[in-house]
Amino acid sequence: DGGITQSPKYLFRKEGQNVTLSCEQNLNHDAMYWYRQDPGQGLRLIYYSQIVNDFQKGDIAEGYSVSREKKESFPLTVTSAQKNPTAFYLCASSIPGAGGLGNEQFFGPGTRLTVL
Amino acid sequence: AQKVTQAQTEISVVEKEDVTLDCVYETRDTTYYLFWYKQPPSGELVFLIRRNSFDEQNEISGRYSWNFQKSTSSFNFTITASQVVDSAVYFCALRKRTGANNLFFGTGTRLTVIP
Repeated sequence: DGGITQSPKYLFRKEGQNVTLSCEQNLNHDAMYWYRQDPGQGLRLIYYSQIVNDFQKGDIAEGYSVSREKKESFPLTVTSAQKNPTAFYLCASSIPGAGGLGNEQFFGPGTRLTVL
Repeated sequence: AQKVTQAQTEISVVEKEDVTLDCVYETRDTTYYLFWYKQPPSGELVFLIRRNSFDEQNEISGRYSWNFQKSTSSFNFTITASQVVDSAVYFCALRKRTGANNLFFGTGTRLTVIP
């Protein structure tokens, strides 16, 4: 089945540790995104990538890093510099909006990160 | 700047009632795209609908309908004859035509359908 997978579903981290969240898609989409969701809030963009080997900061990139070495994969690293990392993280992908086409984004099941 | 407002934080209805979820947006772009997503308890966002700014035609899909009015910058979502399975958080989102292709989300409306 085509879709987006994120692993793990739940992740616990000690303060001061880096942790990497996995996101894989087999939809053949060029664009991929990472969002953060906090309780009672909408999703906020962390990073996005329109094409392999290229990515851009979103609204809340501080304390996060990404890589895009393969079309199918867009891992997110939450570094120790991220002051409040406990949140629900959602990965998404889409056909890129060439000329601004409003293609819908498809989301993975999310990873819930808790810092102990 | 882009902004999406969902003023209703939580709504509860009894099964079979109709319910409307409000969405008001702000953008300076003349071309933009509006979306509704459903987030069930499992957490994954499910795409429901996309609407282009130049297409104000309302849409109906089964028990779901959407009312897009540019004059009031609103894109409201109505569920007819609600069911327990409709219980979820619903997000309205805006995507501008230029720049990054990310979505600007509202804060969501939690809908609870009581059997």
